[in-house]
Amino acid sequence: NAGVTQTPKFRVLKTGQSMTLLCAQDMNHEYMYWYRQDPGMGLRLIHYSVGEGTTAKGEVPDGYNVSRLKKQNFLLGLESAAPSQTSVYFCASIPTMARAGYTGELFFGEGSRLTVL
Amino acid sequence: AQSVTQLGSHVSVSEGALVLLRCNYSSSVPPYLFWYVQYPNQGLQLLLKYTSAATLVKGINGFEAEFKKSETSFHLTKPSAHMSDAAEYFCAVKNSGAGSYQLTFGKGTKLSVIP
Repeated sequence: NAGVTQTPKFRVLKTGQSMTLLCAQDMNHEYMYWYRQDPGMGLRLIHYSVGEGTTAKGEVPDGYNVSRLKKQNFLLGLESAAPSQTSVYFCASIPTMARAGYTGELFFGEGSRLTVL
Repeated sequence: AQSVTQLGSHVSVSEGALVLLRCNYSSSVPPYLFWYVQYPNQGLQLLLKYTSAATLVKGINGFEAEFKKSETSFHLTKPSAHMSDAAEYFCAVKNSGAGSYQLTFGKGTKLSVIP
């Protein structure tokens, strides 16, 4: 059982380049999230999805786009990368809220380290 | 909206000493509270959680946390620090209401253990 898998693990971009981070989960989870982690800032929510075909903005959505075409995948796109987007990106997922006994624990991937030069 | 404050961005303890990492939250409803640990170059791992059952919660690796409603606190403790405890620790609160499927994280506390 792989859980939450992020690809790529590392990437270096030049300013203005575009790229997509892929998050895949094999737990049949409904909700998926993209966070960014910066030193001294903790984790900040970029975008999230409450189901296939739906996405919503989080705390810091500017400069990012997302798509959830398949339930198991959540893609994070940078159309024109900027140095301010240098960060470690984490994907997370949770099962449906209707599931008995669920208490809101997030299941995290191992992170994708992005550097924008 | 819920919020979390972690006091001290960096805490250093000697090996064998008590570990105390502080977390205070603000919430208008009884919260669900979590502590996550992140080892260097790894993702976040759940350490323990409070879900309105027992106020003293035991987690993995000898850590525990006590929920104190009167102090709006959920401090993390371990009686005796080990070198392997060196990591960054995040306190988080589960949002209620329309955003009930989100967690709000503190800014983290990096724990160093001195031999």
